[in-house]
Amino acid sequence: DAKTTQPNSMESNEEEPVHLPCNHSTISGTDYIHWYRQLPSQGPEYVIHGLTSNVNNRMASLAIAEDRKSSTLILHRATLRDAAVYYCIRAFSSGSARQLTFGSGTQLTVLP
Amino acid sequence: SQTIHQWPATLVQPVGSPLSLECTVEGTSNPNLYWYRQAAGRGLQLLFYSVGIGQISSEVPQNLSASRPQDRQFILSSKKLLLSDSGFYLCAWSVVGPSRDEQFFGPGTRLTVL
Repeated sequence: DAKTTQPNSMESNEEEPVHLPCNHSTISGTDYIHWYRQLPSQGPEYVIHGLTSNVNNRMASLAIAEDRKSSTLILHRATLRDAAVYYCIRAFSSGSARQLTFGSGTQLTVLP
Repeated sequence: SQTIHQWPATLVQPVGSPLSLECTVEGTSNPNLYWYRQAAGRGLQLLFYSVGIGQISSEVPQNLSASRPQDRQFILSSKKLLLSDSGFYLCAWSVVGPSRDEQFFGPGTRLTVL
């Protein structure tokens, strides 16, 4: 049970911002929200993660709703290389390890 | 810099045959190690994780087992493969401690059981 819900697919035009939504209404107070992306036949690549506050890094921004039941990954200017499956993941701690529960993800298509 | 290796890259095995997939990490010590499986068109499923040599936690009852004989070596095995074991197997590592959030994935092994 992935416990996150994402649209199956989205399209964006190159050089435009992309907002990828995710619902995680059953998230517990100690679960982190992680985003990874995956190109075909490759392992996933870490994008960003957060707990309660919005987060920014060189790849993207993560906006987390105040009630933590949803979040949005923001790619500020989509490029063709951003075309991938984006996974919104509930991550919880188990001892010193972090367990990731992957869902089906959103296939992002970037149009030139 | 850290690197993670998996082999073989692809594997075709008959039903009932044994399996051994190997994962090694370079450039770090005492990492957390993970095995995931991805069925066609699906997300990743965590199979096993390890926080140290000889310490294995299993997430899903299955036909597979894992071992960690050395600090940076993680092995996925099966005595008898099933058709349902086909998939894309990914090994990952992360650091231990406050910065343990990012997992770094290997290139994967695509297993086809016939």
